[in-house]
Amino acid sequence: SQTIHQWPATLVQPVGSPLSLECTVEGTSNPNLYWYRQAAGRGLQLLFYSVGIGQISSEVPQNLSASRPQDRQFILSSKKLLLSDSGFYLCAWTGGSYGYTFGSGTRLTVV
Amino acid sequence: DQQVKQNSPSLSVQEGRISILNCDYTNSMFDYFLWYKKYPAEGPTFLISISSIKDKNEDGRFTVFLNKSAKHLSLHIVPSQPGDSAVYFCAATPNSGYALNFGKGTSLLVTP
Repeated sequence: SQTIHQWPATLVQPVGSPLSLECTVEGTSNPNLYWYRQAAGRGLQLLFYSVGIGQISSEVPQNLSASRPQDRQFILSSKKLLLSDSGFYLCAWTGGSYGYTFGSGTRLTVV
Repeated sequence: DQQVKQNSPSLSVQEGRISILNCDYTNSMFDYFLWYKKYPAEGPTFLISISSIKDKNEDGRFTVFLNKSAKHLSLHIVPSQPGDSAVYFCAATPNSGYALNFGKGTSLLVTP
């Protein structure tokens, strides 16, 4: 069966520090992968999506970047975090059907 | 630009009664609609969906209604239970190859 792993669960980082969040999917190949952020009062905002290795589409200009170095690995990064980067980050995958399967999320607090 | 709108940020319902969560959308190309349920500090989980060729889909206590002409859908939970207390997100997409557009969510509280 397919599973999605996302870590860490919580993270507190100072302003200006780098960020790396990792997401991996097991039990499937060539998934579509997504990074979403849930910020207060903003719902679920699509940040990046990827349909294959090295293929990244950005939905919102921001201080973040994403990479897909392997088929089932999706990484969210920042060189210098801002206070506004705080939020709940969610990784999701789909195998081409309509529904997503979400990871358990990472609560990022930038201080 | 918010293409999927959930105008009620919160809803409180008594246990055993019906919960009705509403969702409106602006993009007429949306062809498939989904509801997700989210508990605090967890990822959303899929609840129920509906294709634009239907106007109703039912799964146990959960029913989703779609009114394409009004660009409106609703989720009915009958009877509501305290365990249903969560944030509910409405989502829509033009087809399976596109990312989901989510609303801002409605926080449902079911009181005993």
